[in-house]
Amino acid sequence: DAKTTQPPSMDCAEGRAANLPCNHSTISGNEYVYWYRQIHSQGPQYIIHGLKNNETNEMASLIITEDRKSSTLILPHATLRDTAVYYCIVRAANQAGTALIFGKGTTLSVSS
Amino acid sequence: DGGITQSPKYLFRKEGQNVTLSCEQNLNHDAMYWYRQDPGQGLRLIYYSQIVNDFQKGDIAEGYSVSREKKESFPLTVTSAQKNPTAFYLCASSIVPPGGQPQHFGDGTRLSIL
Repeated sequence: DAKTTQPPSMDCAEGRAANLPCNHSTISGNEYVYWYRQIHSQGPQYIIHGLKNNETNEMASLIITEDRKSSTLILPHATLRDTAVYYCIVRAANQAGTALIFGKGTTLSVSS
Repeated sequence: DGGITQSPKYLFRKEGQNVTLSCEQNLNHDAMYWYRQDPGQGLRLIYYSQIVNDFQKGDIAEGYSVSREKKESFPLTVTSAQKNPTAFYLCASSIVPPGGQPQHFGDGTRLSIL
């Protein structure tokens, strides 16, 4: 799986958009970009994933650059409950026998 | 609502005792996984299963056992052979590949030694 780089921490004001970047410059053509988050003492929560097109769901939007070397997770209106560690994972399909590799992620702190 | 249920949330094990962690899903997923997470560490794969009555060892299977008698259930037994069982255990499930289907996680079981 390709390596990802994320800033260790970010702050966001409640109600504002949170834009979390991820660099994955060595991504291969068959590798997807996944975003998860983990709140302390809970299991990781799946947020969104994409291959090359931008994606949006009820939680967030995922913007992938045209060269696929980086992406941005957007939480459009951050709330206090969005405070968590956010993980960007790059992973090929057909990887059932291998663990998801969670790096150090970005700790997002949302404040009022 | 569909999801993954792990129980109990907290579990204590005495020396020499086997304990079983429950994982049930109602997402109709074929694949299920068990991970271990230690403080400040990433996830390590213990076992996974892609179909009923079949499962494969992950990276750290020693001292653990699993069964997959039903599609919805994938219990994990931590045996007395696991010398360092204190950890946060996470169960996940997904649609079987191919395709980039994500894994969905339960809320975990925290196991401690008495």
